Amino acid sequence: AQSVTQPDIHITVSEGASLELRCNYSYGATPYLFWYVQSPGQGLQLLLKYFSGDTLVQGIKGFEAEFKRSQSSFNLRKPSVHWSDAAEYFCAVATLNNDMRFGAGTRLTVKP
Amino acid sequence: DTAVSQTPKYLVTQMGNDKSIKCEQNLGHDTMYWYKQDSKKFLKIMFSYNNKELIINETVPNRFSPKSPDKAHLNLHINSLELGDSAVYFCASSQDLIQPQHFGDGTRLSIL
Repeated sequence: AQSVTQPDIHITVSEGASLELRCNYSYGATPYLFWYVQSPGQGLQLLLKYFSGDTLVQGIKGFEAEFKRSQSSFNLRKPSVHWSDAAEYFCAVATLNNDMRFGAGTRLTVKP
Repeated sequence: DTAVSQTPKYLVTQMGNDKSIKCEQNLGHDTMYWYKQDSKKFLKIMFSYNNKELIINETVPNRFSPKSPDKAHLNLHINSLELGDSAVYFCASSQDLIQPQHFGDGTRLSIL
């Protein structure tokens, strides 16, 4: 079955530390991959996307993600986390078969 | 000049009532969506319309009926509201299904 998995429900990091949020997908068709961020009480905002080409993509707010086809992964990274990065992060996958879905989300807490 | 606006922001009502949530986008997008986000932040797609045509219709109770009078509007009507319908409902739009989505700020529905 097609699925998007974010293995980590909740992650806590110290401010200034590096961050990696995991995303794995299971799709037969070519996936179009996204990361979104949701701050409390707000809708989702796009951080970055991957369609094709360079497998390392840069996004807003200093985030990047790497597509690894062999591992069916699209992990989100940031070298140095800021307190304002505390939020819920969602990985999403869409295909040309009119299928799209979101992972369950990872809540990021940033310690001072 | 909000890109995706949904009204109302809060909706408190009693079980058994019928209610509607409206959504409008001014981005010129062809595709619109409705999502349900539960208390655990799980985001589930409910419906998607492309140029007023239903393209995604996930397994939701038939008490939920989307209506798209034109491609800039996608309203959600809910009949016979139940306690389990309490959630935040998000509207979103994109140019097509594989393009990034722009989200509204959500409608928090509370059933008494």
